[in-house]
Amino acid sequence: DIQMTQSPSTLSASVGDRVTITCRASQSISTWLAWYQQKPGKPPKVLISKVFSLESGVPSRFSGSGSETEFTLTISSLQPDDVATYYCQEYSGYWTFGQGTKVEIK
Amino acid sequence: QVHLVQSGAEVKKPGASVKISCQASGFTFTLYYMHWVRQAPGQGLEWMGRINLMGGGTSYAQKFQGRVSMTRDTSTNTVYLELTSLTSEDTAVYYCARGGEILVIYYYMDVWGTGTTVTVSS
Repeated sequence: DIQMTQSPSTLSASVGDRVTITCRASQSISTWLAWYQQKPGKPPKVLISKVFSLESGVPSRFSGSGSETEFTLTISSLQPDDVATYYCQEYSGYWTFGQGTKVEIK
Repeated sequence: QVHLVQSGAEVKKPGASVKISCQASGFTFTLYYMHWVRQAPGQGLEWMGRINLMGGGTSYAQKFQGRVSMTRDTSTNTVYLELTSLTSEDTAVYYCARGGEILVIYYYMDVWGTGTTVTVSS
């Protein structure tokens, strides 16, 4: 199985800050990587697929990059509505999630 | 509009089984895969498996092999998850989530269900 390791586990930043979350795969997953946002009491919502493809309706301040085993999710200017837990997921056949990164406002 | 509506909360005793449902609407049911993902209280997301909604073929995470069953009813566009031999560690919110079309090998989960809380307690 593939392991997905996210860092940091918690992140506290100010409104307007640039925020980056990292996700590492235990083996190459090519570009089969998605990012999800989950707010308390709600199901996850997909933000980005295939490393950098923004889903319809997702604000352009979200972006993704990377390949093979190293990936990042960047929020260019953190907004109060972005407070949530973010998960990476590989979908190369195992659908493994990272352990999540909780984003808070400082 | 695509919707996945799940059945209501369940409370079960250790050793029992639970069967929860996910009714789909807004898309051609048999053209897709459906996944099940669970989330224990305060924890992350855990993939359980997926089902081919056309042929009914399944693929389960190794952790759940032997005590999980995913089925579908194409007459009602409903997917079912059954989990047996429950323990307190199965207490979680269970989500169905649509995967890609049958002919697409690798796809993410683009639409998620409303979630079903399962509590296992003596």
